[in-house]
Amino acid sequence: ILNVEQSPQSLHVQEGDSTNFTCSFPSSNFYALHWYRWETAKSPEALFVMTLNGDEKKKGRISATLNTKEGYSYLYIKGSQPEDSATYLCAFKTSYDKVIFGPGTSLSVIP
Amino acid sequence: KAGVTQTPRYLIKTRGQQVTLSCSPISGHRSVSWYQQTPGQGLQFLFEYFSETQRNKGNFPGRFSGRQFSNSRSEMNVSTLELGDSALYLCASSWDRGNLQYFGPGTRLTVT
Repeated sequence: ILNVEQSPQSLHVQEGDSTNFTCSFPSSNFYALHWYRWETAKSPEALFVMTLNGDEKKKGRISATLNTKEGYSYLYIKGSQPEDSATYLCAFKTSYDKVIFGPGTSLSVIP
Repeated sequence: KAGVTQTPRYLIKTRGQQVTLSCSPISGHRSVSWYQQTPGQGLQFLFEYFSETQRNKGNFPGRFSGRQFSNSRSEMNVSTLELGDSALYLCASSWDRGNLQYFGPGTRLTVT
């Protein structure tokens, strides 16, 4: 059974703090790892698609790294702002096109 | 560029009925995926269509089916509705596998 885990489950940080979360996935049959941000009452927003071991992606204050050999990805947010409050989901796509989402990390940024 | 649109946005059905949901992808996108989101199960993959062909299917019963038209619009059908089918159904489009997916606003289905 393929399983994708995310930690922590939830996180409360002060405005201006930097934070990071982890997504763990199977290290075999890897095709891609997606990160999404999902704000309440909105649709999930794609942040990154990562396909190569050692990939690093950046979008503004958010960045992500990928290690396919050990099966993990980190998402970093530098200088968190209240508008960063959301659930951050990772999704593992296998080489045979199965997609498995993690349960998400809920981030609350306190002004 | 217009985003992904889904219709209807809200739907109430009774057990045993069937329902069809529609998704119009971003212009030029050929891949459409469908997802189910429930409080207990999180976001689960239903199926993906690419150029009118189902490329992959998640672990859902045969009551869940879909299709894609030549203009890339996609429909999802659920027959013999059960209470447990109450969920938010999201579709997402992308240029191809491995590309960023753009989600629609979802259809909230309630089965009574």
